Amino acid sequence: GAGVSQSPRYKVAKRGQDVALRCDPISGHVSLFWYQQALGQGPEFLTYFQNEAQLDKSGLPSDRFFAERPEGSVSTLKIQRTQQEDSAVYLCASSLEDWSNQPQHFGDGTRLSIL
Amino acid sequence: DAKTTQPPSMDCAEGRAANLPCNHSTISGNEYVYWYRQIHSQGPQYIIHGLKNNETNEMASLIITEDRKSSTLILPHATLRDTAVYYCIVRVAGAAGNKLTFGGGTRVLVKP
Repeated sequence: GAGVSQSPRYKVAKRGQDVALRCDPISGHVSLFWYQQALGQGPEFLTYFQNEAQLDKSGLPSDRFFAERPEGSVSTLKIQRTQQEDSAVYLCASSLEDWSNQPQHFGDGTRLSIL
Repeated sequence: DAKTTQPPSMDCAEGRAANLPCNHSTISGNEYVYWYRQIHSQGPQYIIHGLKNNETNEMASLIITEDRKSSTLILPHATLRDTAVYYCIVRVAGAAGNKLTFGGGTRVLVKP
């Protein structure tokens, strides 16, 4: 389809392992956002890309979290040395332009469970 | 971005209009009102947004009061598939990296 695609849909990892979550935004969308959603809560901002440039990473909870978008399209969120509190749904969103009021379109997320 | 206040939950009858209120009394002149909804196990879905005029699309209508301190999302004929958490968000337009700040939302249950 033409929407935002995230993979894997579900990920289970043992505490201490590294994980990588992928986001394929809508083709041509300039802006890309990552959000984290804990159970029963609304999504919370993690980081923002404008094309390949990471312009805001103020929401990343620790230096174990790293995101990249090297060619300005696909993005990867990496979590190193995972901990149980990292268990959440990780959502990716993209929007067409950066300066206007274009809405963000979300993928269905990756549900991460840390054992 | 301005904070919003929504009722935590509400029930609606299938086939009837659902009116979802939102208070945003500290909204600034350059902030838009956005509505998203999140159906269980899915990502948030954009519904509609507006600045000061009422807006309508194929999904819903957005009514913004003249002083812009509150708004109402109207689902004209609620169906069971409209059961979801509805989020009202205010967001500055025209600035780079406009992240969305989600509150608790309103959990809407459409009943047959």
